Amino acid sequence: GENVEQHPSTLSVQEGDSAVIKCTYSDSASNYFPWYKQELGKGPQLIIDIRSNVGEKKDQRIAVTLNKTAKHFSLHITETQPEDSAVYFCAASRGNRLAFGKGNQVVVIP
Amino acid sequence: EAGVAQSPRYKIIEKRQSVAFWCNPISGHATLYWYQQILGQGPKLLIQFQNNGVVDDSQLPKDRFSAERLKGVDSTLKIQPAKLEDSAVYLCASRPPGHNTGELFFGEGSRLTVL
Repeated sequence: GENVEQHPSTLSVQEGDSAVIKCTYSDSASNYFPWYKQELGKGPQLIIDIRSNVGEKKDQRIAVTLNKTAKHFSLHITETQPEDSAVYFCAASRGNRLAFGKGNQVVVIP
Repeated sequence: EAGVAQSPRYKIIEKRQSVAFWCNPISGHATLYWYQQILGQGPKLLIQFQNNGVVDDSQLPKDRFSAERLKGVDSTLKIQPAKLEDSAVYLCASRPPGHNTGELFFGEGSRLTVL
């Protein structure tokens, strides 16, 4: 089955700086790659997603890039704010089943 | 629009006891999922329903876990008997009809502690 890995496990950034989280996946047939944000005590919430026919997608301060050849995709957060502090999960799927990575703890230091 | 509702939010039981979790998905969402999230890890799919039929239960430990969605709306997940390693947050999620991929809407989860 699909195996998704995230790096780094913890990331600390100064407020206003950019944060980048990278994910690798194993199944070259995967075609859908979402990023979820999970705050303490809450369920994950979709923040951005990308499909395999697109190389980059942007939504205000967040963007996702996909490199199908290398089988990796990255989340970019610009102008980080304290409310961006959370755990971020990447996932990959081919069809119904979504495989999640272990998550990245992002800490934005005011 | 109301989100995915789950209860109870917290449950503490001793090993070998049983527990049940309830989920009410967003109205009209045909697909319902139960995920297990162990501390420090990402969600792991336990079971997926399409209306009241099971689509994927390949990762459900069927010797102790069971789930049902009798009328295609609410769902319950049961663990009997519980083991220490079942301590986790159990997340319910739903997806609108007609979408094979796309956004999953998660509830806040039910945190289980097995002593």
